[in-house]
Amino acid sequence: DADVTQTPRNRITKTGKRIMLECSQTKGHDRMYWYRQDPGLGLRLIYYSFDVKDINKGEISDGYSVSRQAQAKFSLSLESAIPNQTALYFCATSDLVAGGYQETQYFGPGTRLLVL
Amino acid sequence: AQKVTQAQTEISVVEKEDVTLDCVYETRDTTYYLFWYKQPPSGELVFLIRRNSFDEQNEISGRYSWNFQKSTSSFNFTITASQVVDSAVYFCALSEAYGQNFVFGPGTRLSVLP
Repeated sequence: DADVTQTPRNRITKTGKRIMLECSQTKGHDRMYWYRQDPGLGLRLIYYSFDVKDINKGEISDGYSVSRQAQAKFSLSLESAIPNQTALYFCATSDLVAGGYQETQYFGPGTRLLVL
Repeated sequence: AQKVTQAQTEISVVEKEDVTLDCVYETRDTTYYLFWYKQPPSGELVFLIRRNSFDEQNEISGRYSWNFQKSTSSFNFTITASQVVDSAVYFCALSEAYGQNFVFGPGTRLSVLP
């Protein structure tokens, strides 16, 4: 089974609708992230969380919110979807190794979102 | 501030050719990590390698090799004897040691033609 899972894998919604993307991980990592990918722009960070009580805005948080329900679960919500939020969304996890150094990020399979 | 530049937007090669993907980074930290990820047409992001800033040894893994040069702030990726299955978008990324997040380059789309 995959270590990082995302649901749904594909979603079509209409402008103005609220939508939630979910991420679960079995890696036991404390850190979780949400990114969006647009063609030619690489990955841009939306929100990140270092533990259940720690939520931080990333580069492009406007129009998004998140919830860290447990160490293993991190959800991304679009309160009122708009067409320019059409993108590929990735969840990722990482952890700190001994000495406080950042470990590798591992990604979920992605969610393709189309906002009409 | 951190920054990762992948100047090559798209590269096309014929199968069995060698190809090098360039990555140049900027950081003020003395301790940092560099990564390469592969994104095949199916869309998932596959971790390929991680390199610590204090270890400048080059690495080879099968047909893949990585050349890390701190003097030029570069972490280039070479595929030897490319294959069609290597066709993908490749991302270089940087994380500072105690950094809060990763910074990704824009990616290089590699097409290997039969």
